[in-house]
Amino acid sequence: EPEVTQTPSHQVTQMGQEVILRCVPISNHLYFYWYRQILGQKVEFLVSFYNNEISEKSEIFDDQFSVERPDGSNFTLKIRSTKLEDSAMYFCASTGPGQVASPLHFGNGTRLTVT
Amino acid sequence: SQELEQSPQSLIVQEGKNLTINCTSSKTLYGLYWYKQKYGEGLIFLMMLQKGGEEKSHEKITAKLDEKKQQSSLHITASQPSHAGIYLCGAHNQAGTALIFGKGTTLSVSS
Repeated sequence: EPEVTQTPSHQVTQMGQEVILRCVPISNHLYFYWYRQILGQKVEFLVSFYNNEISEKSEIFDDQFSVERPDGSNFTLKIRSTKLEDSAMYFCASTGPGQVASPLHFGNGTRLTVT
Repeated sequence: SQELEQSPQSLIVQEGKNLTINCTSSKTLYGLYWYKQKYGEGLIFLMMLQKGGEEKSHEKITAKLDEKKQQSSLHITASQPSHAGIYLCGAHNQAGTALIFGKGTTLSVSS
């Protein structure tokens, strides 16, 4: 069964550094998402992406965050200048071809640790 | 904004016992999703409900959406250690552009 893959599985970075989290969504999916989960807390929506542009973003997704689909297969989340509070599990998800009646398929996440 | 409340927050049951997890929305649900998460891993899709009164089953797990589409329940029959994990309900936001989640119910099954 096709799956969403995320790399790396664990990333350690120093405060102030830039990080890029990578995702390969399921190949025929058209809608892409990033979520984060701070340890012990709920899964929080960050951003949704369709047709090469952001369709919605949450309050968490401020100017420090950006997303990109640089080619036909990858979907990336960039954090420009990491803060301690960015430490969390980041999940990529995809769905499609329809959005509303299709479940999201999640990757196994990237655990980001900011020191 | 829409909020999803899950209860209980955590649950410990003996193997073989039945259990129910609830998910209540502050607004009408347009698509209710149940996921399972093992600690430190991704979310695994279990079931999706869309219509009021709808009920779906897969193996020993049954999910229902009430007629008013504001509450859903997940029922596990004859629980097994493999059922242990975090169960999350999710629903579309009003625009249908994102899925938001409840805080989850942590299930432990003792043998």
